[in-house]
Amino acid sequence: DIQMTQSPSSLSASVGDRVTITCRASQRISNYLNWYQQKPEKAPKLLIYSASSLQSGVPSRFSGSGSGTDFTLTISSLQPEDFATYYCQQSYSTPRTFGQGTKVEIK
Amino acid sequence: EVQLVESGGGLVKPGGSLRLSCAVSGFTFSNAWMSWVRQAPGKGLEWVGRIKSKTDGGTTDYAAPVKGRFTISRDDSKNTLYLQMSSLKTEDTAVYYCTKVSGGYYHYFDYWGQGTLVTVSS
Repeated sequence: DIQMTQSPSSLSASVGDRVTITCRASQRISNYLNWYQQKPEKAPKLLIYSASSLQSGVPSRFSGSGSGTDFTLTISSLQPEDFATYYCQQSYSTPRTFGQGTKVEIK
Repeated sequence: EVQLVESGGGLVKPGGSLRLSCAVSGFTFSNAWMSWVRQAPGKGLEWVGRIKSKTDGGTTDYAAPVKGRFTISRDDSKNTLYLQMSSLKTEDTAVYYCTKVSGGYYHYFDYWGQGTLVTVSS
């Protein structure tokens, strides 16, 4: 199975900050990497697919990059509604594994 | 508007069985690949399994922890996805989400249901 490791596990940031979350795969996965946002007691929501493609309706302050084993989710200017937990997920092979999550909290 | 609505969760004893349903609308269900993803209380997301559309063979794949105990099926005439769970263990306690799979081989989950809670406890 491909293991996905996110860092950091949590971070504190202020509104307007630039935030970067990293996801590393245990083997090369090309660009088969997706990002989700989950707010408390809610279902996850797709943000980015294929490493860098923005899902329809997602604000342009979210962006993704990377290929191979190292990937990044960037929020260019953190908004109050962005405080949530973020997960990466590889779609290179079955089982479709997720990272452990990164919780973005208010500083 | 795309909607996925899960039902069937509840409290079940270890060793018991439960069937979850996911009623969908807003897209052509028969053409869609579907997956189940679960989340144990306070934990991260875990892929449970996937079923392809019948035109793509209708085959299923499962995560190792549930293989042989869980079965995913679909009724395209009812626009409904199912997850039959048997020999349940306490570690199966989780919110179970029904998801639509898109992107072909890129295989991302673009729509999610609200989730249904399964609690396995004596």
